[in-house]
Amino acid sequence: DTAVSQTPKYLVTQMGNDKSIKCEQNLGHDTMYWYKQDSKKFLKIMFSYNNKELIINETVPNRFSPKSPDKAHLNLHINSLELGDSAVYFCASSHSAYEQYFGPGTRLTVT
Amino acid sequence: GENVEQHPSTLSVQEGDSAVIKCTYSDSASNYFPWYKQELGKGPQLIIDIRSNVGEKKDQRIAVTLNKTAKHFSLHITETQPEDSAVYFCAASYNNNDMRFGAGTRLTVKP
Repeated sequence: DTAVSQTPKYLVTQMGNDKSIKCEQNLGHDTMYWYKQDSKKFLKIMFSYNNKELIINETVPNRFSPKSPDKAHLNLHINSLELGDSAVYFCASSHSAYEQYFGPGTRLTVT
Repeated sequence: GENVEQHPSTLSVQEGDSAVIKCTYSDSASNYFPWYKQELGKGPQLIIDIRSNVGEKKDQRIAVTLNKTAKHFSLHITETQPEDSAVYFCAASYNNNDMRFGAGTRLTVKP
């Protein structure tokens, strides 16, 4: 199936831990994104990568770092997790200025 | 930066009635306006989009209108069905960069 996939779907961890969320797209898109959706459903862009270059970096803590080993992958690393990091994280991809396709989301719970 | 406001936050309609969701944006440079539908436990899915060179676009029961002068755009769903129940998001961006989302509208279609 052609799609945007994320792993894991659920992630429960303790404060202070370091965790990663993986994202892969097989749509041949050249731009990938990470969004955070909080408990009130508000969607906010965190990062986007175009051809391995960071082109948007919202005012997120530097504990969050995107890593793109190739055009089809954009992983999100989070260091020293805090309670406020609990949210659903969505990966998305697009071909330049065209529509964005979202992954199924990763629900992160920090205890 | 862009600021997108969306109304109403909740909308309940009877099956078969029409539903209208409205959004305003602040950045006159924005030229791409997608609408996403998010079902419970899933990622947002693009349902329709419009670019600033047109004023209206229709796809079966869904239509979007854009008023560039007033900087607002609307989603119209006709002949609503229970499966239309979901959270709907509007968004605005310039060439798909730095996409800003509205706060979402929870639509409930009562059978």
